[in-house]
Formats: sequence, C-alpha cells, structure tokens
Amino acid sequence: DSGVTQTPKHLITATGQRVTLRCSPRSGDLSVYWYQQSLDQGLQFLIHYYNGEERAKGNILERFSAQQFPDLHSELNLSSLELGDSALYFCASSVGGTSEETQYFGPGTRLLVL
Amino acid sequence: GQNIDQPTEMTATEGAIVQINCTYQTSGFNGLFWYQQHAGEAPTFLSYNVLDGLEEKGRFSSFLSRSKGYSYLLLKELQMKDSASYLCAVRYGNTGKLIFGQGTTLQVKP
Repeated sequence: DSGVTQTPKHLITATGQRVTLRCSPRSGDLSVYWYQQSLDQGLQFLIHYYNGEERAKGNILERFSAQQFPDLHSELNLSSLELGDSALYFCASSVGGTSEETQYFGPGTRLLVL
Repeated sequence: GQNIDQPTEMTATEGAIVQINCTYQTSGFNGLFWYQQHAGEAPTFLSYNVLDGLEEKGRFSSFLSRSKGYSYLLLKELQMKDSASYLCAVRYGNTGKLIFGQGTTLQVKP
C-alpha cells in the first residue's frame, strides 16, 4: 500500500458523459501526478500539480481537466467521453516537486466507456 | 521524441537471473526509474538511477550508463511472484514528468 488513495476503483459510463476521478496523496506529499494507461499506449503522463499549482502538462486532451485543492487532494475531470478514453487512470504523489523524487502510485481507477 | 525502448516479453526460470534492458534518448536526461507492475495493479517503485553505475537492492539491481543512454534491471534468484511487467521510466528536464517505456512482461516458469 503506497498511501495514495483513489476513488472510485471502477467506473462504467456512456459516451458523451462526464466523470470525476479523485486522488488523495500520501500524507505530507505536495505533488500529484495523473497518468493514463491503456493497452496500446502504456503509461502516459497527463498533468502534474504542486501545492495547488499546475507544474507540467503532458498529452492531456482539452476535454480533460484537473485541479488540486487546498487540502492537496486532486480531481481529474473527463468530459465528452469517447470509447477510446477507456483506460486505467493512475494518480501518483511525491513529497515536493523536484525532479529526483520518487513518485508513489495509487491503485488506479478503471474507466470503461460504453 | 523521447522514446524509451525495452523488450516486450521475456521468459525465465525460477531461481535464475534475468536482465531487462532499457534504452532512451540522452538529451535532457535527468534520472531513470524502474517500476514493477502486476496486471491491473499500481506500479510499485523498484529503483532510481541518476549517476552512472550499479545500484543494488536485495535481489534487484539497476545499472545506468548515461553516455550510452542505457540501463538494465537485474533480477536474481527469480521467484514465481516476480512474474509481472517491468517499466522503465525516464525523467527529462526539471519537471516531475516521467516518460514510460511500454514495459517488459516477465514470465517466470517453474
């Protein structure tokens, strides 16, 4: 158990819908990272927040957005869902936002878009 | 681009040693991580290299050559529970962004 929690564990929804995935980092960690893992593309970095501010963006679609709240939990919002958005979404956290820190991953949210 | 290359699959025997290679583009390199991932589960941290050389952690060791853009993960005394996917991830620049390889699926046979 990494200490990173994610809810829900599973989510089934329909195309065109909107969902929110939630992540709570390890106690004391200020950074949250979001990743998408699909069968054909492996783990893809989406976005990084540090202490409430966006630090880096990866290949995140415009239909996706994220934020980190004052209590440091983070939410990833996915809208106008498409079949191809079906994937495992992982959140990871680290103590600060520096480049040498290890990221610890949560258990993931499995999203299925029908 | 920042392609990370690793073999797709490997098979080894219980009790043996296996080496999983990873190559990456060197420009902007700022650290390399190895993670283990069992199917449907979260990646778990195994090792971190930022300087050349070998880092040993029990049955697992990781090596880095920055000039060659090359790393390997060495697993000794293989156990059945080591059957998993092994992910090589590289950090470029000063952000927290990690670029992951596709992963190497290791199957340990009795």
